[in-house]
Amino acid sequence: EPEVTQTPSHQVTQMGQEVILRCVPISNHLYFYWYRQILGQKVEFLVSFYNNEISEKSEIFDDQFSVERPDGSNFTLKIRSTKLEDSAMYFCASRVDQGANEKLFFGSGTQLSVL
Amino acid sequence: DAKTTQPPSMDCAEGRAANLPCNHSTISGNEYVYWYRQIHSQGPQYIIHGLKNNETNEMASLIITEDRKSSTLILPHATLRDTAVYYCIVSSSNTGKLIFGQGTTLQVKP
Repeated sequence: EPEVTQTPSHQVTQMGQEVILRCVPISNHLYFYWYRQILGQKVEFLVSFYNNEISEKSEIFDDQFSVERPDGSNFTLKIRSTKLEDSAMYFCASRVDQGANEKLFFGSGTQLSVL
Repeated sequence: DAKTTQPPSMDCAEGRAANLPCNHSTISGNEYVYWYRQIHSQGPQYIIHGLKNNETNEMASLIITEDRKSSTLILPHATLRDTAVYYCIVSSSNTGKLIFGQGTTLQVKP
């Protein structure tokens, strides 16, 4: 079965540094997402992306965050200047089409640790 | 999107059916009921979804009441590998945004 692939599985960075989390969505999917989960807390929506632009974002997704689809296969989340509270598991997801009747496929996540 | 209410935890014996309830009394006509699960800290895994009819796939069955105010996810023969947090989510979002709650932690015991 096709999968959403995320790299790296674990990233450690120093506070204030920039990080880029990478995702390869399923190949025929058109809608892309980032979610995060702080340890012990709920999975939270960050942003959705379609047709090379953000279609929706949450309050968490402030100016420190950006997303990009630099080529036909990768989808990235950049955190410009990491804070301790950005430590979390970040999940990428994708789906084939729009509409409430379409399921999301999630990757296995990148654990970001900010020291 | 409508809010859902799930019990925080449930136990089930291995080999028996696990029935996970979900209340969504404020659901509106165009909202789907989705079930996902999260095993340990892995990414959420899609299980099943439906609008008004009962649904079945290779993983589970979804029973939605006639008034659509509640639903039950049924894992017909639970195994130890089904131990996970199960999320019931109601969504009408065309953008695919899912709002996760705390879910039900299902512990399957030998």
